Amino acid sequence: AQTVTQSQPEMSVQEAETVTLSCTYDTSENNYYLFWYKQPPSRQMILVIRQEAYKQQNATENRFSVNFQKAAKSFSLKISDSQLGDTAMYFCAFMRYNAGNMLTFGGGTRLMVKP
Amino acid sequence: DAGVIQSPRHEVTEMGQEVTLRCKPISGHNSLFWYRQTMMRGLELLIYFNNNVPIDDSGMPEDRFSAKMPNASFSTLKIQPSEPRDSAVYFCASMASPNSAGELFFGEGSRLTVL
Repeated sequence: AQTVTQSQPEMSVQEAETVTLSCTYDTSENNYYLFWYKQPPSRQMILVIRQEAYKQQNATENRFSVNFQKAAKSFSLKISDSQLGDTAMYFCAFMRYNAGNMLTFGGGTRLMVKP
Repeated sequence: DAGVIQSPRHEVTEMGQEVTLRCKPISGHNSLFWYRQTMMRGLELLIYFNNNVPIDDSGMPEDRFSAKMPNASFSTLKIQPSEPRDSAVYFCASMASPNSAGELFFGEGSRLTVL
């Protein structure tokens, strides 16, 4: 079974600064996908960024980028130029390739962006 | 598209009562998931369907929980009888097709309180 661990229950960052959220996972699979999802106070989860394990290049989406270290089974999320709207719970998630779209989520990190 | 639609948004009921949560996935999506979110246990996958067929219900806590998907545009999660420990936010999510790494679209959740 796969497990996803987010070791930082809460974090805070000043507006316009950079913050990194940590995620580690445990799997024996070689092909898989990793995701970061955001859950703002409105509750609805939305996808922030996705990484395919076979790609060495780290995924980026505007101010969001990941540091994917396959050997270390680490998948951190970097948010640059933090904005107040980034305040949310962030969930790291893992999905095996050809697993019928079953995602395993980490416990989440609550991020507070301070003005 | 209106996105994944869940009802009710909030429900307060008394222990022993039957609870039915409803979900309408995004039109054309073939995979549907039911998640439960609590502070203690985070996000837990309860059950998921591919093409209206239940694929994995190992996350369903006990026989009091049941889920159906009679057609591609509707699913229900039923708890009978309900207990206070069932209090949680229940999310429905859908994805375009099985065995793809497509984006998981969540509904806004149904907050259940069992007194």
